[in-house]
Amino acid sequence: KAGVTQTPRYLIKTRGQQVTLSCSPISGHRSVSWYQQTPGQGLQFLFEYFSETQRNKGNFPGRFSGRQFSNSRSEMNVSTLELGDSALYLCASSPRDRGHTGELFFGEGSRLTVL
Amino acid sequence: KNEVEQSPQNLTAQEGEFITINCSYSVGISALHWLQQHPGGGIVSLFMLSSGKKKHGRLIATINIQEKHSSLHITASHPRDSAVYICALSQGGSEKLVFGKGTKLTVNP
Repeated sequence: KAGVTQTPRYLIKTRGQQVTLSCSPISGHRSVSWYQQTPGQGLQFLFEYFSETQRNKGNFPGRFSGRQFSNSRSEMNVSTLELGDSALYLCASSPRDRGHTGELFFGEGSRLTVL
Repeated sequence: KNEVEQSPQNLTAQEGEFITINCSYSVGISALHWLQQHPGGGIVSLFMLSSGKKKHGRLIATINIQEKHSSLHITASHPRDSAVYICALSQGGSEKLVFGKGTKLTVNP
């Protein structure tokens, strides 16, 4: 069974640009969540999606957005990039049912560098 | 005060030693996750606990809901166990996790 796939793995952008990251969950998983990891702040929750609906959003500015498609694939977008957005962005999928946390399966992450 | 505190921050052990990493939290939870992150970034979920104890190979995780405390034990540690171990809390049955700062474990041969 294929794992969680994140693309691209590495990318470099300049301030003011926008970026879209993609996450393909494990087949059959309907829950996808996104996390940001930086040396200063550690791991922080960004979004949670279940069956195309955003269930939760973390404490991030409106420049951070996401969505989930009918095939459970998810994308997140960061507009007007700032230097502080440089981070490892991790996606996880879960076989959870509505209302119950499932075991999380993480992708390898997308490492974004903003210059 | 952080909602989740891990200790120790750094831990160095000799191969074969028994290792304990602790996680204390101050909020109600629906589950607690223990995660492992190797250099390079990939994260692996080791355990998800809501009560009691779980064992997988040389790894054991326990949780005491009343005391709001969990421990991760590694028996017969090995250099390949060297990684950052992260405790994360789930509330309300969601994946909106609150993360500890991690424990960096180095196991020397």
